[in-house]
Amino acid sequence: AQTVTQSQPEMSVQEAETVTLSCTYDTSESNYYLFWYKQPPSRQMILVIRQEAYKQQNATENRFSVNFQKAAKSFSLKISDSQLGDTAMYFCAFMYNSGGSNYKLTFGKGTLLTVNP
Amino acid sequence: DAGITQSPRYKITETGRQVTLMCHQTWSHSYMFWYRQDLGHGLRLIYYSAAADITDKGEVPDGYVVSRSKTENFPLTLESATRSQTSVYFCASSEPYNEQFFGPGTRLTVL
Repeated sequence: AQTVTQSQPEMSVQEAETVTLSCTYDTSESNYYLFWYKQPPSRQMILVIRQEAYKQQNATENRFSVNFQKAAKSFSLKISDSQLGDTAMYFCAFMYNSGGSNYKLTFGKGTLLTVNP
Repeated sequence: DAGITQSPRYKITETGRQVTLMCHQTWSHSYMFWYRQDLGHGLRLIYYSAAADITDKGEVPDGYVVSRSKTENFPLTLESATRSQTSVYFCASSEPYNEQFFGPGTRLTVL
């Protein structure tokens, strides 16, 4: 079974600073995908960034970037120049296809990030 | 409206009643999913569907029933609601190997 672990239930950061959220996963698969989703107080789930396991280059989306360490099974999210609107719950998620239609996401339990003014 | 919608957004019901949560997507995505979100558990998959008339169990399927007669709709039914099913329910859709797009969620309270 695939598992996703987010070891930091809560974090806080000052506005304009940089923060890194941790995520580790356990799998025997070689071909998979990793995601970070953001859930603000509105409750809407929003995709932040995506990484394909076969790509060595770390994904980047504006102020958001990942540090993908495949051998260590680690997928951390770095948020630069933190903004008040980044305050949200962040979920790490793992996806693979074990054949046929068996394809789904497994989520970590989330990290609540608070950006302080 | 384009996207994925859920109805109702809020629902209060009583133990033992049948409840159906609706999910509709306009992208013609082949995959659709139902999750529940509970404090301390993150999101857990209830059921998913790879196409019309193809459904499969997820991590926590007990007490739930799904159907998918049309690609765009994926209703979730609680046949006899229990207090432990009080939760926020999210529907999502996607194409294979792509990110899932989530609906706004339904907050269900079972008294």
